[in-house]
Amino acid sequence: GAVVSQHPSRVICKSGTSVKIECRSLDFQATTMFWYRQFPKQSLMLMATSNEGSKATYEQGVEKDKFLINHASLTLSTLTVTSAHPEDSSFYICSALFGTQYFGPGTRLLVL
Amino acid sequence: GNSVTQMEGPVTLSEEAFLTINCTYTATGYPSLFWYVQYPGEGLQLLLKATKADDKGSNKGFEATYRKETTSFHLEKGSVQVSDSAVYFCALKRTDKLIFGTGTRLQVFP
Repeated sequence: GAVVSQHPSRVICKSGTSVKIECRSLDFQATTMFWYRQFPKQSLMLMATSNEGSKATYEQGVEKDKFLINHASLTLSTLTVTSAHPEDSSFYICSALFGTQYFGPGTRLLVL
Repeated sequence: GNSVTQMEGPVTLSEEAFLTINCTYTATGYPSLFWYVQYPGEGLQLLLKATKADDKGSNKGFEATYRKETTSFHLEKGSVQVSDSAVYFCALKRTDKLIFGTGTRLQVFP
């Protein structure tokens, strides 16, 4: 089946630093990938749609300068949380579209 | 707007019990409906889906029927197993975007 990986699985960083999260489709190519954020006991909230070779489309209320998305190849999208603060601590999940969405295992970010 | 509401958990059951997890939706038109499952430490996996009214999705003993009249897509299983313990998400799809419910944790004890 279609497999999507994320790296790292968890990361702890200091406030003010930037963190990059990778999302890879391992056995298929995906022109479209999605980034979600999940708060404890809450739903997955779509942050942005990442399209290979073009700018990402951000959902309302998501700061595009804060959450930089790069989809430079058909198998890789990256999310960079810039100048991270404790309120950015969350579980970030990506998915890749291949007929249907295939989800990565998520990355837990803790900002101290 | 489009939204999904599902019952809060956790749902705690004994093995072989009957499971129902309620899901209702609000949407314009007739979206496709999904149930995803998230096992501990893993990503979301598609469990089943239905694309039009009265469709029944089924997989691994789980079933859900797309009910237009009640805007519902309740998940059922006749006899749960310990291995079914996970978080279950109901979702609808508009264009390629998925809108999720808050998830329901199911705990099955032997």
